Amino acid sequence: DTAVSQTPKYLVTQMGNDKSIKCEQNLGHDTMYWYKQDSKKFLKIMFSYNNKELIINETVPNRFSPKSPDKAHLNLHINSLELGDSAVYFCASSQTQGGAEAFFGQGTRLTVV
Amino acid sequence: AQSVAQPEDQVNVAEGNPLTVKCTYSVSGNPYLFWYVQYPNRGLQFLLKYITGDNLVKGSYGFEAEFNKSQTSFHLKKPSALVSDSALYFCAVRDLGGGGNKLTFGTGTQLKVEL
Repeated sequence: DTAVSQTPKYLVTQMGNDKSIKCEQNLGHDTMYWYKQDSKKFLKIMFSYNNKELIINETVPNRFSPKSPDKAHLNLHINSLELGDSAVYFCASSQTQGGAEAFFGQGTRLTVV
Repeated sequence: AQSVAQPEDQVNVAEGNPLTVKCTYSVSGNPYLFWYVQYPNRGLQFLLKYITGDNLVKGSYGFEAEFNKSQTSFHLKKPSALVSDSALYFCAVRDLGGGGNKLTFGTGTQLKVEL
């Protein structure tokens, strides 16, 4: 069983479109995250949710809207896609404790053309 | 804010030789430190972590890391490198500041193990 799964794996879309990426974890974790990995492989936190509540929003444009219908799911919706949004987006989850490692999904490679 | 630094963009090592991937940290309070590996077109895989206790932490695939408080370092090591260890390695620190909970990653080190 996949611990953290996200779909789709690849997403190619035109500028201005709206798209969603779905994420689900079956680990019973309380905290879920979205990370963005750019073309230089830098990883940057975008959002963190704890028990469906938004905890961290790291100066992400409001075109990005996360939604957590329950603590096992954290979806990412992106409006009015721009070329600069092209990146790999990773979903992750962890227990809330400071020493808990995070488990990552396989990533969604978003290409905006 | 907590941070980690990986001073080397790339490390090259011959198969069978020991490898070290460097990481230094900057935290207030006790650090929670992690190493992850990313293979091409894959997600990040957890290797090991330091929370407290022994300074030498053992992890997956024969990797280990040494926590050094005086040097604020958490270097990743392996006694004998394999070609299959070639990948991108990330050091990370848990940041619990501001009511949040996130892993802050270093810039990554590309490890290349050659025959």
